[in-house]
Amino acid sequence: EPEVTQTPSHQVTQMGQEVILRCVPISNHLYFYWYRQILGQKVEFLVSFYNNEISEKSEIFDDQFSVERPDGSNFTLKIRSTKLEDSAMYFCASSRVSRETQYFGPGTRLLVL
Amino acid sequence: KQEVTQIPAALSVPEGENLVLNCSFTDSAIYNLQWFRQDPGKGLTSLLLIQSSQREQTSGRLNASLDKSSGRSTLYIAASQPGDSATYLCAVRDNYGQNFVFGPGTRLSVLP
Repeated sequence: EPEVTQTPSHQVTQMGQEVILRCVPISNHLYFYWYRQILGQKVEFLVSFYNNEISEKSEIFDDQFSVERPDGSNFTLKIRSTKLEDSAMYFCASSRVSRETQYFGPGTRLLVL
Repeated sequence: KQEVTQIPAALSVPEGENLVLNCSFTDSAIYNLQWFRQDPGKGLTSLLLIQSSQREQTSGRLNASLDKSSGRSTLYIAASQPGDSATYLCAVRDNYGQNFVFGPGTRLSVLP
């Protein structure tokens, strides 16, 4: 059964460094999403992406964040200058059509020191 | 702004029991609602998606109901098994956007 994959599974970085989190959505899906979950807190929406542009973003998704689909398979989240409070589990999700079932990847656990 | 709550926060039951998990949302103008399962340190597994026009959805031992006007959804798990132990999240998508607003989850433990 097709699934969303994410790399790396864990990443440790120093405050102020740039990180890129990678996702491979399900191949025939057209809508892509990033969510994050700070330890012990709710899952929070960051951004949705369709047709090579951001379709919606939350107030969390400030200028330090960017997303890109550099080729036909990968979908990336870049954090330009990481802060301690960026430490969280980051989930990628995809859906075939808008507003339908979203399938989540296993997550990348980011730790900013 | 949509707010989603889930009761109880944690639940421990003996194997074989039927149980109900509750989800409440403040804005009834929803497009759909999705129930997920999250195992410790892992991603989210989609369980059921219920559209705003539907009253319930079933998959195996799981049944999700939706009462949009009262802002509630329930997830019913029949004949619980230790393998059902996980955190169950409900997430609501409103009529205005594509993203989900998640509840805090119910942590379920099914004891053998």
